[in-house]
Amino acid sequence: ETGVTQTPRHLVMGMTNKKSLKCEQHLGHNAMYWYKQSAKKPLELMFVYSLEERVENNSVPSRFSPECPNSSHLFLHLHTLQPEDSALYLCASSQGHTSYEQYFGPGTRLTVT
Amino acid sequence: GQQLNQSPQSMFIQEGEDVSMNCTSSSIFNTWLWYKQDPGEGPVLLIALYKAGELTSNGRLTAQFGITRKDSFLNISASIPSDVGIYFCAGNYGGSQGNLIFGKGTKLSVKP
Repeated sequence: ETGVTQTPRHLVMGMTNKKSLKCEQHLGHNAMYWYKQSAKKPLELMFVYSLEERVENNSVPSRFSPECPNSSHLFLHLHTLQPEDSALYLCASSQGHTSYEQYFGPGTRLTVT
Repeated sequence: GQQLNQSPQSMFIQEGEDVSMNCTSSSIFNTWLWYKQDPGEGPVLLIALYKAGELTSNGRLTAQFGITRKDSFLNISASIPSDVGIYFCAGNYGGSQGNLIFGKGTKLSVKP
């Protein structure tokens, strides 16, 4: 595997479900990001991790819970989501959280029913 | 918060045509990046710019960091069908280090 991978690629979940999104980067980077991409809106930064520590949380609701067990893996745990949370969730990585060159995974298309 | 204005929102291209798009901000930015996103995929980094006036090419793509530091331009020469997709500008104005602000994108489609 190369680059940034994300699983699953598609996810449908009910509002009472709990699920997790997984991201893995094979670039040797030490910063990882979660973004939300909704139609007709710019990419919204959700969380930033640098050296496995969270350095940014952009006022994201607590129903989204990130986890970064090591510099190669990033998770986004989801629970009691709302239909408006349906979107493409993108993971990215960079060499340090002060590097502007972020490399993205293919995303997880999430639908909340 | 900071916003980037990207234009045009969409455009149709005919093979062989040159394409131009731009991105403007109300604040001075110290970094500009251009990404392309294909359907069902994540954005792919095309070009990164770090100095005012900088002109950088990547194949048929050329991007410029505006002199005022409030804008950036992307040109595609001699477009081909695989150029279709959504192009995003992104920049950093010196806020939270490493955090990027993204434009809403320019959608390139093939002229029918």
